[in-house]
Amino acid sequence: EDQVTQSPEALRLQEGESSSLNCSYTVSGLRGLFWYRQDPGKGPEFLFTLYSAGEEKEKERLKATLTKKESFLHITAPKPEDSATYLCAVQANDYKLSFGAGTTVTVRA
Amino acid sequence: KAGVTQTPRYLIKTRGQQVTLSCSPISGHRSVSWYQQTPGQGLQFLFEYFSETQRNKGNFPGRFSGRQFSNSRSEMNVSTLELGDSALYLCASSISHEQYFGPGTRLTVT
Repeated sequence: EDQVTQSPEALRLQEGESSSLNCSYTVSGLRGLFWYRQDPGKGPEFLFTLYSAGEEKEKERLKATLTKKESFLHITAPKPEDSATYLCAVQANDYKLSFGAGTTVTVRA
Repeated sequence: KAGVTQTPRYLIKTRGQQVTLSCSPISGHRSVSWYQQTPGQGLQFLFEYFSETQRNKGNFPGRFSGRQFSNSRSEMNVSTLELGDSALYLCASSISHEQYFGPGTRLTVT
């Protein structure tokens, strides 16, 4: 069975304090690894797709990387508006998406 | 381009009743997936429809069912509601690998 584990569960940062979120996974045939951002009461917002080990994607203060067993989401010099829950998901060859429990990031001004 | 829309946004039902939720995907997207999100279990996959056919199904009881119409719009139905069915139900549409989510329907079962 596909498994996705995210750590830490919660992260409190000072504005400007860079950090990384971890997503470790086991999947039978990785079709893609996805990062989403979810604000309270809203649906997840798509951020990145990574397809193969060594791949990196960047968007503003966020950078996602992928290895054969895990992915990292790096937040550089975060701002309060980066506060959200960040979800990682893997898609297997059967197209099913399996989500991790998420990391809730709080950035204080 | 309009995003994924879901109706209704909020719903309160009584145990034993049934409910139908609706999802309109992004124009041109033929795949629609449904998820249940709860604080305890997180996001769990219910089923996926592609061109009116169920392509995948998660590990939920038969009380949960869905369908997709020729215009790609989708509905999910939950019969004989239980208290544990209270959750945020999310619909996502996709054209390739990336799934784009709607705002969800918040279902409360009393």
